[in-house]
Amino acid sequence: AQSVAQPEDQVNVAEGNPLTVKCTYSVSGNPYLFWYVQYPNRGLQFLLKYITGDNLVKGSYGFEAEFNKSQTSFHLKKPSALVSDSALYFCAVRSNFGNEKLTFGTGTRLTIIP
Amino acid sequence: EAGVAQSPRYKIIEKRQSVAFWCNPISGHATLYWYQQILGQGPKLLIQFQNNGVVDDSQLPKDRFSAERLKGVDSTLKIQPAKLEDSAVYLCASSLGGAVWYGYTFGSGTRLTVV
Repeated sequence: AQSVAQPEDQVNVAEGNPLTVKCTYSVSGNPYLFWYVQYPNRGLQFLLKYITGDNLVKGSYGFEAEFNKSQTSFHLKKPSALVSDSALYFCAVRSNFGNEKLTFGTGTRLTIIP
Repeated sequence: EAGVAQSPRYKIIEKRQSVAFWCNPISGHATLYWYQQILGQGPKLLIQFQNNGVVDDSQLPKDRFSAERLKGVDSTLKIQPAKLEDSAVYLCASSLGGAVWYGYTFGSGTRLTVV
């Protein structure tokens, strides 16, 4: 069975500082990895995905994530945090074969402190 | 292109009542998913359709939840009777499916409150 772990329920970062939101995964085969963001009373918005190729993936709003196969991790990063980045972030995984369903982590609430 | 449409946006019902949610996926998307997102948790897959056939419903509480996707396009998710613990956001998503995979598109969700 595939699974995702987001070890931090809450991450607080000062505005302008770099941020990292952690994610590790378990899946059969090769992973397809995703980050989604959710603002209050809004749906899930796609940020970025890793399918294959370069381990460093760049996405929307200046976010990037690094795929590390040996550590089975896909941490989300941003060099300089904005107050508007405050939201709930979800990591998700699916296998590259078989069922296409996505499995989500429990989410990390990111708060950027002015 | 138009996104995934869901209705209603909000619904409040009393426990033991019935409720239905509707989803219209992106045109041409063969695969449709219903997810349940309880407050403070990640979305959990309830059911996955490929065209009008069920691919995975292993986490659907079949004693009270049902879903259908007639003609392989729109889908409805029903809860009968509702329990307090069904209070959640119900998200619909669709994907093209097939050998070349382009990703998912999520709707805005239906927020259900059971009182």
